[in-house]
Amino acid sequence: KAGVTQTPRYLIKTRGQQVTLSCSPISGHRSVSWYQQTPGQGLQFLFEYFSETQRNKGNFPGRFSGRQFSNSRSEMNVSTLELGDSALYLCASSLSGRAGLTDTQYFGPGTRLTVL
Amino acid sequence: SQQGEEDPQALSIQEGENATMNCSYKTSINNLQWYRQNSGRGLVHLILIRSNEREKHSGRLRVTLDTSKKSSSLLITASRAADTASYFCATKLRGAQKLVFGQGTRLTINP
Repeated sequence: KAGVTQTPRYLIKTRGQQVTLSCSPISGHRSVSWYQQTPGQGLQFLFEYFSETQRNKGNFPGRFSGRQFSNSRSEMNVSTLELGDSALYLCASSLSGRAGLTDTQYFGPGTRLTVL
Repeated sequence: SQQGEEDPQALSIQEGENATMNCSYKTSINNLQWYRQNSGRGLVHLILIRSNEREKHSGRLRVTLDTSKKSSSLLITASRAADTASYFCATKLRGAQKLVFGQGTRLTINP
């Protein structure tokens, strides 16, 4: 079974631009979560989608948004990019996303975004 | 703020030795998971321990969980150079659909 895939793997943008990142979950997984990783803040939760609905959102400004399609693929968008948005963006998928005891999240390789 | 605090932040040992990393957290959890990350790549899931479990093994990995102390430890036995990576604990809070990560332990295995 193929793992979580993310595209693109690397991206360079300039301040003020917008960017869209894509994530394809493991086949059969319906929950997709996004995380931002920076050296200073570590791994921080952005949002989680299940059945095309956003169920949870982290403490990020409205410039960060996302969506999920009927095939569970997800995209996240960052508008009006700032230098501080430079980070590794990780997507994770899980089977049901329920707050159960054993729902494991599987991560993709990430998209490295650099904002100049 | 981060839910988990990991200790130590960095650990350097000789190949063949055992490595122990600790994680403390603040609130009630459903489960605690350990992940490995090599050089800024994606996270690899290592092991999940449920809140009603106290110890779990997977190959050379042993994880313990003490919910009364809100802490967990990851032991890697007979370390290898390929174990060099950052290790993160992540907690899944009750009623929440997100993982909250610690800052990680950077483990270096010297040949």
